[in-house]
Amino acid sequence: AQSVTQLDSQVPVFEEAPVELRCNYSSSVSVYLFWYVQYPNQGLQLLLKYLSGSTLVKGINGFEAEFNKSQTSFHLRKPSVHISDTAEYFCAAKTDSWGKLQFGAGTQVVVTP
Amino acid sequence: EPEVTQTPSHQVTQMGQEVILRCVPISNHLYFYWYRQILGQKVEFLVSFYNNEISEKSEIFDDQFSVERPDGSNFTLKIRSTKLEDSAMYFCASSQETGPYEQYFGPGTRLTVT
Repeated sequence: AQSVTQLDSQVPVFEEAPVELRCNYSSSVSVYLFWYVQYPNQGLQLLLKYLSGSTLVKGINGFEAEFNKSQTSFHLRKPSVHISDTAEYFCAAKTDSWGKLQFGAGTQVVVTP
Repeated sequence: EPEVTQTPSHQVTQMGQEVILRCVPISNHLYFYWYRQILGQKVEFLVSFYNNEISEKSEIFDDQFSVERPDGSNFTLKIRSTKLEDSAMYFCASSQETGPYEQYFGPGTRLTVT
């Protein structure tokens, strides 16, 4: 069975500061990994994904994430956040191409001036 | 850009009533999913659907739930007799048959059971 753990429930950050959101997964088989963002009162939007290949993946809005197999992590980073990045961020994993996504509990990012 | 749509955006119903939540997946997608998010909790998988049958379902998806693709565009989730604990945001998602296997989510339907 797989599980996804997001270590921080809330991350306050100042505008233009960097942010890192931590995600760890557990799985006995290969996984596909995703980060989704949920803006207030909206649905889930895909930020980026890791399927295979390069361990550093770049996504939309300046976000990137690094897959680390030995540490079973997939942390999300942005070097300089904007107020508009205030949202909830979900890490998710699945073990087969069309299978269910297993979500982490989410990390609320609050960006202040 | 094509997107998944869901109706209604908000549904209020009384306990014991039947509700149908509707989704229009992206047109060339063949895999469909329902997830739900109870307020303050993580997003949970309910069911996946392919080729007119359920591929996988979670423990949550009991006999009170059913899914259907009544025509070539809609994908519905029916809850036969709603309970208070069914109050949640319900998300529909769809995925292509070929890679890159990402799931595209709709904006959700907020179901409130009173």
